[in-house]
Amino acid sequence: GAVVSQHPSWVICKSGTSVKIECRSLDFQATTMFWYRQFPKQSLMLMATSNEGSKATYEQGVEKDKFLINHASLTLSTLTVTSAHPEDSSFYICSAPETGLNIQYFGAGTRLSVL
Amino acid sequence: LAKTTQPISMDSYEGQEVNITCSHNNIATNDYITWYQQFPSQGPRFIIQGYKTKVTNEVASLFIPADRKSSTLSLPRVSLSDTAVYYCLVGDRNFNKFYFGSGTKLNVKP
Repeated sequence: GAVVSQHPSWVICKSGTSVKIECRSLDFQATTMFWYRQFPKQSLMLMATSNEGSKATYEQGVEKDKFLINHASLTLSTLTVTSAHPEDSSFYICSAPETGLNIQYFGAGTRLSVL
Repeated sequence: LAKTTQPISMDSYEGQEVNITCSHNNIATNDYITWYQQFPSQGPRFIIQGYKTKVTNEVASLFIPADRKSSTLSLPRVSLSDTAVYYCLVGDRNFNKFYFGSGTKLNVKP
C-alpha cells in the first residue's frame, strides 16, 4: 500500500507555544489529506480536511484559528497547533487517500504533550 | 451518513478464527465498507475493503450481506500479534462523508 509519513512522532512543548506536525505522502500525490485527533481508548475524530491549494474544511467544533492547516503541495500537509495548552495534548493522526483508490492511508501519528 | 456500531471488545485464543461484525443500518448506495487495524500509539493500517458479497485477501475476509446493513471481518487463525483495535469505516469513494466506528478491541490469548 501507499506510504504516508508523519513527523514528529512525539513532541513535548510548553504551554503557549506552537507546534507544527507534517504529513507527507511518499509515493503518491494527495490532493486531499485528513487530520484526526484521538483520545485514549477512543475512536478517531476527524478534525479537518486539507485540500491542496485551497482552504481546509474544518469539522464542527474545531477551532480553525487554533489548528492551522496548510496543504501547499501535492505531497505535504501541515497542522500547526497554535498557542498550545494542556487540553490540546492528544494523539494526532493524518491520512491521505491515493488518487483513484477508495482507501485512506494513515501516518504513524504524533503524540503531543503540552506542559 | 451511516453511523456504525461495533462490539467494544472481544476475546479469542491463538489459532482460532475471529469474526467482528459492524452494523451500519443507514448505509448509502455509494458507500464502501473499509476495515482498519490499529495498534497502540500507531496510525490505523488498512486491512480490507468491500462493497457487497465477499472479499478476501491474504490477511482477512470481509462478508457483506445483500442488504449491506452490516459487515463481518473474519480473521483466520489469529495470533498474539493480532491483538489490536479494529475499526470499520463506512463512506463514499470520494470521501465526501465517512464515519469511523468506535472500534473493537480484540484480545488474543495464548
